[in-house]
Amino acid sequence: GAVVSQHPSRVICKSGTSVKIECRSLDFQATTMFWYRQFPKQSLMLMATSNEGSKATYEQGVEKDKFLINHASLTLSTLTVTSAHPEDSSFYICSARDQSTGELFFGEGSRLTVL
Amino acid sequence: GNSVTQMEGPVTLSEEAFLTINCTYTATGYPSLFWYVQYPGEGLQLLLKATKADDKGSNKGFEATYRKETTSFHLEKGSVQVSDSAVYFCALSAYGNNRLAFGKGNQVVVIP
Repeated sequence: GAVVSQHPSRVICKSGTSVKIECRSLDFQATTMFWYRQFPKQSLMLMATSNEGSKATYEQGVEKDKFLINHASLTLSTLTVTSAHPEDSSFYICSARDQSTGELFFGEGSRLTVL
Repeated sequence: GNSVTQMEGPVTLSEEAFLTINCTYTATGYPSLFWYVQYPGEGLQLLLKATKADDKGSNKGFEATYRKETTSFHLEKGSVQVSDSAVYFCALSAYGNNRLAFGKGNQVVVIP
């Protein structure tokens, strides 16, 4: 079964609204989680590294005020797309590193459509 | 910078055929190399990995050899099944911290 769960799997929102996507590790603790974005027929692009109890580390070119990341517990990281616009429509994928084994697990992804 | 290049386009083949998906990389230092598989409706799963030159990763009948001289990590399977239909991603980690750089992925469709 899935060990990393993302919610929602699909979301449609109006332009200008904010959307929150959750990433949960179900049976392990993760001090580090990663958020990726995937465009159609493109590779996964790392957006940021989410660190429990501290600020996320964003990759170059990713707007931190646009994509808010909160990693408030060892099993949950959230990505909030603020003031969403159609160009933010994409597939967002998280991964979580099991802090005891170092193994990396991926969520099923969340498809965001901004109208 | 670090990058991964996969062959273009989907791959369609018949059951029991031989599968090869090419992957080449550009990296500083000595990266670890991975193949991930994504079945329909599921998250990416680690298929196999290799951490140093000449290592061969293998799992579920799939193999890939870390070739430093050609900077390649091609995925192969001798006899595919319908259940192997999925998207396959090649990836590298240059710093051992799970910050992965992915290729574009290849859709593999196996026809009965």
